[in-house]
Amino acid sequence: GESVGLHLPTLSVQEGDNSIINCAYSNSASDYFIWYKQESGKGPQFIIDIRSNMDKRQGQRVTVLLNKTVKHLSLQIAATQPGDSAVYFCAETLTTDSWGKLQFGAGTQVVVTP
Amino acid sequence: ETGVTQTPRHLVMGMTNKKSLKCEQHLGHNAMYWYKQSAKKPLELMFVYSLEERVENNSVPSRFSPECPNSSHLFLHLHTLQPEDSALYLCASSQEAGTSTYEQYFGPGTRLTVT
Repeated sequence: GESVGLHLPTLSVQEGDNSIINCAYSNSASDYFIWYKQESGKGPQFIIDIRSNMDKRQGQRVTVLLNKTVKHLSLQIAATQPGDSAVYFCAETLTTDSWGKLQFGAGTQVVVTP
Repeated sequence: ETGVTQTPRHLVMGMTNKKSLKCEQHLGHNAMYWYKQSAKKPLELMFVYSLEERVENNSVPSRFSPECPNSSHLFLHLHTLQPEDSALYLCASSQEAGTSTYEQYFGPGTRLTVT
């Protein structure tokens, strides 16, 4: 499979535990944020999004938290499973940007151990 | 599968070669994107097409030439590349460019090595 983002920050999590992945975004004007998951050999896959008028959004086993004061985004994964091993990226955009350009973070490698 | 396919999956080319990357989306989307993913760097947007019209060229060198003949197909023509162009090239599509839907669906990428 592909190996992208060498020397990424790595989060090692035991199977069944909760994971928290953090992201500091750059543009205080950004008003829409997305988390993507990229498994080896695949392209990024949408996980969950959140708009700036929200602080928290929940999906299936995932929760995204947004702290606009400190420009911080986090992704919480409940009961982490081996299939959650991947690189996770946050992305930000300003929705008034005509073309919805996404600015991606560098990514975090999550390794789930048995 | 995401509904976005890319060919070839792997490509090795010399600096004097000309090659093309192909992307096809089966989602009925109107916007398509090319990204470059290098080791140790975030995803870099290269081009955006909306309804077959190029709407963004993110300061990409002219040795990369995109083509969008219709809303389902996107090509990236490559010529006289440099070794630093070696990377994973990702294609993505979205329902529209710049509407309330920003979710982009990515293909698996083409791993390009320039020798």
